[in-house]
Amino acid sequence: GAVVSQHPSWVICKSGTSVKIECRSLDFQATTMFWYRQFPKQSLMLMATSNEGSKATYEQGVEKDKFLINHASLTLSTLTVTSAHPEDSSFYICSANNPLLGSGANVLTFGAGSRLTVL
Amino acid sequence: GESVGLHLPTLSVQEGDNSIINCAYSNSASDYFIWYKQESGKGPQFIIDIRSNMDKRQGQRVTVLLNKTVKHLSLQIAATQPGDSAVYFCAETYGGATNKLIFGTGTLLAVQP
Repeated sequence: GAVVSQHPSWVICKSGTSVKIECRSLDFQATTMFWYRQFPKQSLMLMATSNEGSKATYEQGVEKDKFLINHASLTLSTLTVTSAHPEDSSFYICSANNPLLGSGANVLTFGAGSRLTVL
Repeated sequence: GESVGLHLPTLSVQEGDNSIINCAYSNSASDYFIWYKQESGKGPQFIIDIRSNMDKRQGQRVTVLLNKTVKHLSLQIAATQPGDSAVYFCAETYGGATNKLIFGTGTLLAVQP
């Protein structure tokens, strides 16, 4: 149980185009989802907190106009990389709080990630 | 503050040996810690967690130790298997209302047959 699904798992696009990545909680509701970015051989960097029905909260240094986040329902958050450039190429991973895991309320279940390559 | 990973440290062990992966966390106010395992090209998977009011917690083949005095966390894996080969991240959280997890640098565990 408590699966987070991401789509697409990989995408290649041309520079200047926009790409949308979907994150779904399949068998539980998630009022909050988190978007991370990971470059090769590096750690996960939190980009933003996606809040259902309200604006996302972005981490310092993350451009909210470039990385548009929409959390329109309790099971879906989307990340749109607008006017993508080669430096946006990365592994984007979403997560949601999993009430079934661990001993606390902060255990995140992660999606499988979406690898974006911008040519 | 956030931990930024630049290069992944690597721990190489023989199959069957015990592995110890270390993590230094950054925020003395953090009150909850989680270890994740990430295989190549996949999202992180939960391994084990520990609250700050504990100093040790055991799972199946894994043990997490917490030393708040020196802000140090370790993950011990008993009888390491080839399937344990992956990158291991510790994550800390504070300000629980937002449930933000901040990840450490990560350690690549390479299990030699």
